[in-house]
Amino acid sequence: GAVVSQHPSRVICKSGTSVKIECRSLDFQATTMFWYRQFPKQSLMLMATSNEGSKATYEQGVEKDKFLINHASLTLSTLTVTSAHPEDSSFYICSARDGWASSRTDTQYFGPGTRLTVL
Amino acid sequence: SQQGEEDPQALSIQEGENATMNCSYKTSINNLQWYRQNSGRGLVHLILIRSNEREKHSGRLRVTLDTSKKSSSLLITASRAADTASYFCATKPYAGNNRKLIWGLGTSLAVNP
Repeated sequence: GAVVSQHPSRVICKSGTSVKIECRSLDFQATTMFWYRQFPKQSLMLMATSNEGSKATYEQGVEKDKFLINHASLTLSTLTVTSAHPEDSSFYICSARDGWASSRTDTQYFGPGTRLTVL
Repeated sequence: SQQGEEDPQALSIQEGENATMNCSYKTSINNLQWYRQNSGRGLVHLILIRSNEREKHSGRLRVTLDTSKKSSSLLITASRAADTASYFCATKPYAGNNRKLIWGLGTSLAVNP
């Protein structure tokens, strides 16, 4: 089945630093990737939709200069949390749609998530 | 914004019992999907049911969809301790941005051995 990897799985950083999270589709081409944020015991909050070769579409209330998204290839999207602060600590999850199969299945394949802790 | 609502928010049962979770939504949909999330991990797609379908099975999972009531249910039969996880429903709206899924708040299931 379709596999999505995320790296790193866990990161601890100091306040003010920037953190980059990678999301890769390993065995399919992902024309669209999604970035979510999840707080403990809560649902997923969509942050942005990332399309290969174009600018990401951010959800209302999400600062695009704070959360930089790049989708440079059909298998890689990155999320950079710039000048991170403790309130950015969260679980970040990416997902990807298979560009060929999604028209039939609409299924999203999820990465394992990245736990970010900002001290 | 989230439009799906699952109930119950939390469910605790004994191994071997059946678990039923419900999901309600607000707008017309193209399809509805159920996902599972183990603690601290990503989500795993379980089953997709289209708006013109009423029931679907996959192993011990049974999903129903009632578009007139805008609701769906997920039934896990003969539950196992390994079924302990959070379960989310997600809907693909019939109109508008057809790439986004609208997520429910989730049901936390605990299956006690």
